[in-house]
This record gives sequence, structure tokens and C-alpha cells, in this order.
Amino acid sequence: GESVGLHLPTLSVQEGDNSIINCAYSNSASDYFIWYKQESGKGPQFIIDIRSNMDKRQGQRVTVLLNKTVKHLSLQIAATQPGDSAVYFCAETPFGSSARQLTFGSGTQLTVLP
Amino acid sequence: DVKVTQSSRYLVKRTGEKVFLECVQDMDHENMFWYRQDPGLGLRLIYFSYDVKMKEKGDIPEGYSVSREKKERFSLILESASTNQTSMYLCASAGGTGGWEQYFGPGTRLTVT
Repeated sequence: GESVGLHLPTLSVQEGDNSIINCAYSNSASDYFIWYKQESGKGPQFIIDIRSNMDKRQGQRVTVLLNKTVKHLSLQIAATQPGDSAVYFCAETPFGSSARQLTFGSGTQLTVLP
Repeated sequence: DVKVTQSSRYLVKRTGEKVFLECVQDMDHENMFWYRQDPGLGLRLIYFSYDVKMKEKGDIPEGYSVSREKKERFSLILESASTNQTSMYLCASAGGTGGWEQYFGPGTRLTVT
């Protein structure tokens, strides 16, 4: 099956710095991508999504970039705060998936240092 | 806001027991999912359902079954629990006029001894 992977399992950043979390995907037919945040002891929480017809999408303090040429997705968090410490997952759904299935990467643990 | 609830946060069962994990969503979503989450392996799909009484196998259905008798409720059943089913189990739902994002419950930490 398709794989959705992450470049690094852990990332540490200083409070106030920007964070960049990367994700590689292998299915060129993927149409939709999502980033989730999972805090300790909680279920994953939706952060931001992007469709394959877009290169960039911005939310509040977060930006997702999609490079379809190299099948790469990134999540940028501006002015990282202690509350951003969590595991971040990327997920994809192939075009035409009728049941809104998602394939998840293994996650990156982001630690914000004081 | 979408709310997905799971019947237990922590559960301890013995090997061979039949285990029921319940999930309820309040947004009238057509699609519901059961995942297990293990360190380093991310979320792996066990089963999903796209309508009442309909179910599809995910990536790792062996040792599990599901039931969806009502739209809001999706149950995961471990017919005979084994120690390798010790894991975090997450339920999610998706549908309606929203996007493709899935909304997750808080998870059930199951330990099989």
C-alpha cells in the first residue's frame, strides 16, 4: 500500500522560533492532505488541510506547503509556543476515496524548549 | 463542535476475554473508523463503516470485528483478546458537508494481561 512517512521522528525548537515538520508521500494520486496534532493522552486534532490543486495554505500561525513534484508536504508553525509540543501527523486520502479514508504517517514529536 | 466519545479511557482485560469498545459521535456522520496506535507505527486502520450495518476491513482487521447498528455508534470487538492487542484504540468519524477530515475520540488504552 501507499506509505506516508516523515523525515524525522523528533524535532526540538526554542520557544518563539519557527518550526518546520516535513512529510513525504508516495502516492501520486493523492488528492487531499491533512495535518493533525496529538497531545499526550488525547486523540489527534485537525490542524489544517490542503488539496492537491493548491501549493500553500495558511491558517492561524500555521502554513502547509505542498510540493507535488517531489511528493513532499510540510507544516510550518510560526513563533512556536510551549502548547505546540505534541506529536504531529500528516495524512493523505487518495482521489476518489468514498469513505473519507486516511493514511497516516508515523508522526513527529515536537518539543518546545524554554 | 463534533464530539466523538469512547466508552472507556483505560481498560484491563485478560487473555481470551471478549472485549467491547464503544464509540459514539453526535454529528450524524456517515463514516466511522477504528484505529490502533502503537509507538513508531502511527495510526493503523482496523475497520471502517460508511453506513449503518456496512463495514469494510482496514489494514489490520485480524482478531477484530465491528458492529454498526445505529448511525451514531460504532463498536469494536475483540473476540478473544491477546497480549499483542495491547494498544491505544482510537475511534474517528467523518462526513456531512464538511471536508474530509476525521474527528477523533480521546482513545481507549487497552491492556491485555
